[in-house]
Amino acid sequence: AQSVTQPDIHITVSEGASLELRCNYSYGATPYLFWYVQSPGQGLQLLLKYFSGDTLVQGIKGFEAEFKRSQSSFNLRKPSVHWSDAAEYFCAVGGGGADGLTFGKGTHLIIQP
Amino acid sequence: DARVTQTPRHKVTEMGQEVTMRCQPILGHNTVFWYRQTMMQGLELLAYFRNRAPLDDSGMPKDRFSAEMPDATLATLKIQPSEPRDSAVYFCASGLRLDRPTGELFFGEGSRLTVL
Repeated sequence: AQSVTQPDIHITVSEGASLELRCNYSYGATPYLFWYVQSPGQGLQLLLKYFSGDTLVQGIKGFEAEFKRSQSSFNLRKPSVHWSDAAEYFCAVGGGGADGLTFGKGTHLIIQP
Repeated sequence: DARVTQTPRHKVTEMGQEVTMRCQPILGHNTVFWYRQTMMQGLELLAYFRNRAPLDDSGMPKDRFSAEMPDATLATLKIQPSEPRDSAVYFCASGLRLDRPTGELFFGEGSRLTVL
């Protein structure tokens, strides 16, 4: 069965500092991997996705993620966070997403001034 | 600006009452998902449709939940009778060609259900 683990429930980062959110997955075949962001009271918005090819994926809002098959990881990074990045971040895995995604429990990002 | 529309945004009801949540997927999208979000379980897939046909509803409690797609512009999720443990945010999402890199899943803003 597929699963996603986001080990950090909460992360606090100072504005302007770098960010890394961890994600580990379990999937029986070649995974398709996604990062979504959810602002309070809103739905989920896609930040980036990995299907194949280059293991470093660029997304919106200055985010990037790196797929490491040997570590079963897909960590999300941003070199300098802004106060507007405060939100809930979800990692997800699926077989292309055509049959639904399995989400991690999410990481709540807090930005300190 | 195309978006997935969900109604109602908020619903407070009493235990035992019937609840119907509605979703209008983005025009042209052929795959529609229902997810439930709770603090304890996170996001759980309840059911999904492709070309209006139900493909998987194994995530739904069968005795009280039902999901339908009467036409391409409307998906419904019904709970009858509702229970306090059904309190959650229910998300609808739609997409097209999700098995290809160009595909993307779009989420609605959710229906927050509180069952007293």
